[in-house]
Amino acid sequence: DAGVTQSPTHLIKTRGQHVTLRCSPISGHKSVSWYQQVLGQGPQFIFQYYEKEERGRGNFPDRFSARQFPNYSSELNVNALLLGDSALYLCASSFDGTELSEQFFGPGTRLTVL
Amino acid sequence: AQSVTQLDSQVPVFEEAPVELRCNYSSSVSVYLFWYVQYPNQGLQLLLKYLSGSTLVKGINGFEAEFNKSQTSFHLRKPSVHISDTAEYFCAVSERRTGFQKLVFGTGTRLLVSP
Repeated sequence: DAGVTQSPTHLIKTRGQHVTLRCSPISGHKSVSWYQQVLGQGPQFIFQYYEKEERGRGNFPDRFSARQFPNYSSELNVNALLLGDSALYLCASSFDGTELSEQFFGPGTRLTVL
Repeated sequence: AQSVTQLDSQVPVFEEAPVELRCNYSSSVSVYLFWYVQYPNQGLQLLLKYLSGSTLVKGINGFEAEFNKSQTSFHLRKPSVHISDTAEYFCAVSERRTGFQKLVFGTGTRLLVSP
């Protein structure tokens, strides 16, 4: 069975540009969460979506936005990139996103901002 | 708000030796507790979780953890490690009764197993 997939695997952007990261959840999962993992730190929660609605948001600026599509895939958008946005962006899917629903993580997208 | 402290950034150990990875948390509300493992160039994989009941939790790959409420700790242990256990280990908490799972992670502990 296919796990959580993310694209692209790596990308390089320059300051001020915008970027779109994509995530496809495990089949049957209706919730997607996004995390940012800066080198040497643990992942930090950005968003959770369930049934196309935002259910939770972490402490990130409005430059970060996301959406979930009818097929439950998701996009994370980051505008006006800063050097500090360089990180591994992880997507996790779960059946319904509740506290007892196990989250399965994808391999991540490595974003480098120059 | 919650926070998680992993006291050791790196733990070197010889193959077949026991290991303990330490985790302490701080929270003003009840939380669920998790341990995840991250192998190089891979996403996070759930090792085990504490939701309620017995404070000793058994997970995959021979790992176990014990929840200690008075010490707000959730240390991870394995009686005999293998080379393949070399990876980054993350402790995490999630607040109960919010309707959704927001994981708060520690900074991670790198386990280095040598022959």
